[in-house]
Amino acid sequence: ETGVTQSPTHLIKTRGQQVTLRCSSQSGHNTVSWYQQALGQGPQFIFQYYREEENGRGNFPPRFSGLQFPNYSSELNVNALELDDSALYLCASTLGQGDEQFFGPGTRLTVL
Amino acid sequence: QQQVKQSPQSLIVQKGGISIINCAYENTAFDYFPWYQQFPGKGPALLIAIRPDVSEKKEGRFTISFNKSAKQFSLHIMDSQPGDSATYFCAASEETSGSRLTFGEGTQLTVNP
Repeated sequence: ETGVTQSPTHLIKTRGQQVTLRCSSQSGHNTVSWYQQALGQGPQFIFQYYREEENGRGNFPPRFSGLQFPNYSSELNVNALELDDSALYLCASTLGQGDEQFFGPGTRLTVL
Repeated sequence: QQQVKQSPQSLIVQKGGISIINCAYENTAFDYFPWYQQFPGKGPALLIAIRPDVSEKKEGRFTISFNKSAKQFSLHIMDSQPGDSATYFCAASEETSGSRLTFGEGTQLTVNP
């Protein structure tokens, strides 16, 4: 059984650019959630996908968007990057609507 | 809006001591309270979790104490070890929101040898 994987590990972008982060969920998990973790803070919920449909969204602007694919892998897209978008982006997968979430190692995004 | 408040921000204990981290929540609809452990460069890993129908849950050296009326819960780490040095997050979720977690701000634990 493979765990949650994310790519890339690190990424540097400049303000105004667009970025795509990728996540492969744990085997058999059909729900994926994305979180933003600023330095020294707890993760903040961005949105969740269940069976390829968005299933809940946190307090993030529309320039944060996502996709879930038939194999349950997922992408997080951020347009018009701002300096405050610099953070660790975490993907977590869950079996159905169950409670236990399994987190990936994250993608460290730096916006200059 | 901070719905889960965690304290202390940092904690230093000696090897063999007891580490205690506290959390308080506001949303009475929360019905699942996990604790996560995060090492530098890693994602959070589930340590232990509790539901409001019990007041305490113990797994090895880790215990959650839960006080529903006070809307508080805490993590106790017995016989703390240097390998326990990490950042700990409490979190909460409600059934109607699926598995969406609201996290506390974290406690950086250092266990000195």
